Amino acid sequence: AQKITQTQPGMFVQEKEAVTLDCTYDTSDPSYGLFWYKQPSSGEMIFLIYQGSYDQQNATEGRYSLNFQKARKSANLVISASQLGDSAMYFCAMREVTESGTYKYIFGTGTRLKVLA
Amino acid sequence: DSGVTQTPKHLITATGQRVTLRCSPRSGDLSVYWYQQSLDQGLQFLIQYYNGEERAKGNILERFSAQQFPDLHSELNLSSLELGDSALYFCASSVEGVSDTQYFGPGTRLTVL
Repeated sequence: AQKITQTQPGMFVQEKEAVTLDCTYDTSDPSYGLFWYKQPSSGEMIFLIYQGSYDQQNATEGRYSLNFQKARKSANLVISASQLGDSAMYFCAMREVTESGTYKYIFGTGTRLKVLA
Repeated sequence: DSGVTQTPKHLITATGQRVTLRCSPRSGDLSVYWYQQSLDQGLQFLIQYYNGEERAKGNILERFSAQQFPDLHSELNLSSLELGDSALYFCASSVEGVSDTQYFGPGTRLTVL
């Protein structure tokens, strides 16, 4: 079973509009972390935002916010006021604790976002 | 520029060979992570080291091994290479490795012929 599911392989958004990229996760670990990364066509991976499972508030970083709905096990990324430079692949990831007490990081398959001028 | 360096940028080798990928973390970062990104498997977490010790292990094959040295640089060794090992290998670093931001290097593109 997929631990991280990104159901939108591709999305379009008009410049200056907001866009939501979906991510659902599956874990039985009560202490986990959720991450979003951006990968432009140049290939580098850029960390965007982090949400801990015990964090009461939704994480925000500039134009990025994470809509964390714990009961629904969803961690959607919201990008406000989209810019052409936001066109990239976006990955949702989860850090969970393994049975041996170490960490494990699992990535979704990504959503390719295209911002239209 | 994230401050994480990886060498080499590109590597072309043959099946059965062994290669070493090198990563230097950002100054002050104690954690190093290795990831593999391939077309069919997506982005896979391989292994994490914290201050020289293994902290987390993902889908790392037995043919692969890694270590982190006293100066905190890390090496990923890939042996008995197969065609399916062709991928982009990323190294990332962070200060603590729990909730801290991971800064990724530019990656090493490995092609196995």
